[in-house]
Amino acid sequence: DAGVIQSPRHEVTEMGQEVTLRCKPISGHNSLFWYRQTMMRGLELLIYFNNNVPIDDSGMPEDRFSAKMPNASFSTLKIQPSEPRDSAVYFCASTLGGQVGAFFGQGTRLTVV
Amino acid sequence: GENVEQHPSTLSVQEGDSAVIKCTYSDSASNYFPWYKQELGKGPQLIIDIRSNVGEKKDQRIAVTLNKTAKHFSLHITETQPEDSAVYFCAASRGNTPLVFGKGTRLSVIA
Repeated sequence: DAGVIQSPRHEVTEMGQEVTLRCKPISGHNSLFWYRQTMMRGLELLIYFNNNVPIDDSGMPEDRFSAKMPNASFSTLKIQPSEPRDSAVYFCASTLGGQVGAFFGQGTRLTVV
Repeated sequence: GENVEQHPSTLSVQEGDSAVIKCTYSDSASNYFPWYKQELGKGPQLIIDIRSNVGEKKDQRIAVTLNKTAKHFSLHITETQPEDSAVYFCAASRGNTPLVFGKGTRLSVIA
């Protein structure tokens, strides 16, 4: 199994531009999570999906952030417009649900200048 | 909601010594406690987990203990090696809810 696949690995963009991060979960997993990691705040949950349905998006910082999961094998996290304070590493994780630990992707390092 | 505190934030040990990282949680309904290791430039990787019906679990040089009464759990690494150097995260959940992570411990094993 290739694990959770995220793209791109690195993204540098100018303030105000739209950014789209992509994630392919592990085949057969039915829960998907988007986390943001910064030095100051650690790993923060942004949103999670069960069976492609968004369950809790209370961690999404602002309306500039949106996430979709059109099918079981693909999810996107979009930031529009991006701001320098959005600079962070964004992780996608998936799990079978229940008491099974989530498996993380390699992350996307986003830099907004 | 759940709140997870992790200590220490940094830890340096000599190669061969043991390392202990401690976490406390606030939600008494939490019943699943995994530990993750994150190496530079990589995503967190699950290394061991424990469920609330178990007090201790061991996997080679790594062990985790859980005290539900006190709401704390610990990671123990014995005979540390340079490749154990990384950031370690504890987490907690009710099992059907997302993990809530501690802030992490940067472990340095000095050869």
